Amino acid sequence: DIVMTQSPLSLPVTPGESASISCRSSQSLLHSNGNKYLDWFLQKPGQSPQLLIYLGSNRASGVPDRFSGSGSGTEFTLKISRVEAEDVGVYYCMHALETPYTFGQGTNLEIK
Amino acid sequence: QVQLQESGPGLVKPSGTLSLTCVVSGVSISTSHWWTWVRQPPGKGLEWIGEIFPGGTTNYNPSLKSRVTISVDKSKNQFSLKLNSVTAADTAVYYCARWTTLTATLDYWGQGTLVTVSA
Repeated sequence: DIVMTQSPLSLPVTPGESASISCRSSQSLLHSNGNKYLDWFLQKPGQSPQLLIYLGSNRASGVPDRFSGSGSGTEFTLKISRVEAEDVGVYYCMHALETPYTFGQGTNLEIK
Repeated sequence: QVQLQESGPGLVKPSGTLSLTCVVSGVSISTSHWWTWVRQPPGKGLEWIGEIFPGGTTNYNPSLKSRVTISVDKSKNQFSLKLNSVTAADTAVYYCARWTTLTATLDYWGQGTLVTVSA
């Protein structure tokens, strides 16, 4: 199975500042078709996960442009500019290259 | 508006079988998507369990493959999960979700249902 490793696991952020979460995969998620099979989800407290970013850098419908995804074959980053109180929750990366899909451990973003 | 809703017993005895159903609304389950189960033990991360395509093709997590069955009922627009020989380690919130091949992601999720394995 592909192992997904996130850092940091805890991320305190002051409102209005930016935040970055790193996700590393144990093998390249770059497909021969040029797509990077890496997704980002946010799980707000008491809710189910919601899709933020798919194929490495594409924002899902309704996701603010404060959220952006980038990365290469094995190293990916989720950046949140101008963090707001509503961004609190646990962020997960997930590889979508092949089954079984696996998730990172999660990064808990909290407001200072 | 695509919606998914899980249902099933919230308590299962050890060595018993966990059975859940996910009712899909807003879209036909016969469309070209993979219908998926994901679980989350209390306070822990997410684990992909498996998926089914409307034609019946399934993929399972090797760590659970010997105990899992996912099936689809097109007439009721729903799909189901069965996990047998359960232990306390199977206590989790179980989510159903839709996988869309075009975007290679889980784009719609149910609200989740907690299943506790206990005598």
